[in-house]
Amino acid sequence: QVHLVESGGGVVQPGKSLRVSCSASGFTFRSNGMHWVRQAPGKGLEYVAFISFDGTNKQYAESVRGRFTVSRDNSWDTLYLQMNIVRPEDTAVYYCAKGDHGYGMDVWGQGTTVTVSS
Amino acid sequence: DIQMTQSPSSLSASVGDRVTITCRASQGIRNALGWFQQKPGKAPKRLIYSSSSLQSGVPSRFSGSGSGTDFTLTISSLQPEDFATYYCLQHNTYPWTFGQGTKVDIK
Repeated sequence: QVHLVESGGGVVQPGKSLRVSCSASGFTFRSNGMHWVRQAPGKGLEYVAFISFDGTNKQYAESVRGRFTVSRDNSWDTLYLQMNIVRPEDTAVYYCAKGDHGYGMDVWGQGTTVTVSS
Repeated sequence: DIQMTQSPSSLSASVGDRVTITCRASQGIRNALGWFQQKPGKAPKRLIYSSSSLQSGVPSRFSGSGSGTDFTLTISSLQPEDFATYYCLQHNTYPWTFGQGTKVDIK
């Protein structure tokens, strides 16, 4: 059974950095692209980033490009999102999701909450 | 970026009603569209992929259609557990983009 567990969320001051993680199990992690999606309080879903199965292709939403970096460790079946120079508008639940080989994304984690506040 | 315009933003319906939600893409996306259901405090769950393919385990009252720029999610007979927020997602072009969501509540 596919299982994704995010961690690392918390309260961070504006301008600071935070790294969130996503631990994967139940599938061959190194064979799948992975995604990050976020949801601000009371708002809709916002696509954040993608990383290909081998880490060579990365894509970002305009709102985070240049500040956030997606990476992965296929030895540890773990996905990361490094968030730098955070802003109050980055406050959200951050979800990781498994790519589905050209068919979008299928399974999501339960999310981790990031709050940017002084 | 491709803009996904979802409508309506909310609707009220009764158990047994037929419900239709639409998404329009700002440019053609072939059939690269999925539909997700989200309940409060929970992660989204995929219902439909490739515009019209039903996710395994999802009830057959859910169906999707469309290609190019116009897409539809239909719930043929609304059940109590279907009251939720629904989102479309285009996965044709990076960055992928979601519709604004449609909240379905009880009339």
